[in-house]
Amino acid sequence: DAGITQSPRYKITETGRQVTLMCHQTWSHSYMFWYRQDLGHGLRLIYYSAAADITDKGEVPDGYVVSRSKTENFPLTLESATRSQTSVYFCASMKGENIQYFGAGTRLSVL
Amino acid sequence: KNEVEQSPQNLTAQEGEFITINCSYSVGISALHWLQQHPGGGIVSLFMLSSGKKKHGRLIATINIQEKHSSLHITASHPRDSAVYICAVRSGGSQGNLIFGKGTKLSVKP
Repeated sequence: DAGITQSPRYKITETGRQVTLMCHQTWSHSYMFWYRQDLGHGLRLIYYSAAADITDKGEVPDGYVVSRSKTENFPLTLESATRSQTSVYFCASMKGENIQYFGAGTRLSVL
Repeated sequence: KNEVEQSPQNLTAQEGEFITINCSYSVGISALHWLQQHPGGGIVSLFMLSSGKKKHGRLIATINIQEKHSSLHITASHPRDSAVYICAVRSGGSQGNLIFGKGTKLSVKP
């Protein structure tokens, strides 16, 4: 299907475990982003990527790792999950300096 | 102080009412976005604007660059407009990432 998809949609894990959230887009958009959304905060940028093999930190990168070996994929890894990483995670893509297209989100609970 | 402030935080309206949601920002920007987040969580971009005014159906977005202020208007509101409306700005020095307001939760009653 065309568009931007996130998987899984829901994930429960335990503290200390490694978790990878997947993001896949079919438009060949150059830019991709990972945000987290928490009550009392707006969406906050974790990492972004301007192109394959180019990534950069956002506002809240600590505890997260990203990679972008292919244009269409931008996985987000929590190397050792903590309770404070319980959140809803959104991936987005953007062509040039245009609007951003968001995935449906992944709801992550760290117990 | 947040770089992007929205008001009101919550808004309840009767069907048919004219609605205004405000967004003020404190940074230099290259563009401002209005987004809609549905009750199910999905986020959709409504507008991107850097000057003037844009209209799409019953939605109108305006921006005043000098005053660092934008408004989103909904005419003839309907219960299906119930959602969280989010203002976001792309600051002049960014690579494309957005700075988001906390959102305005709109409920339209029939």
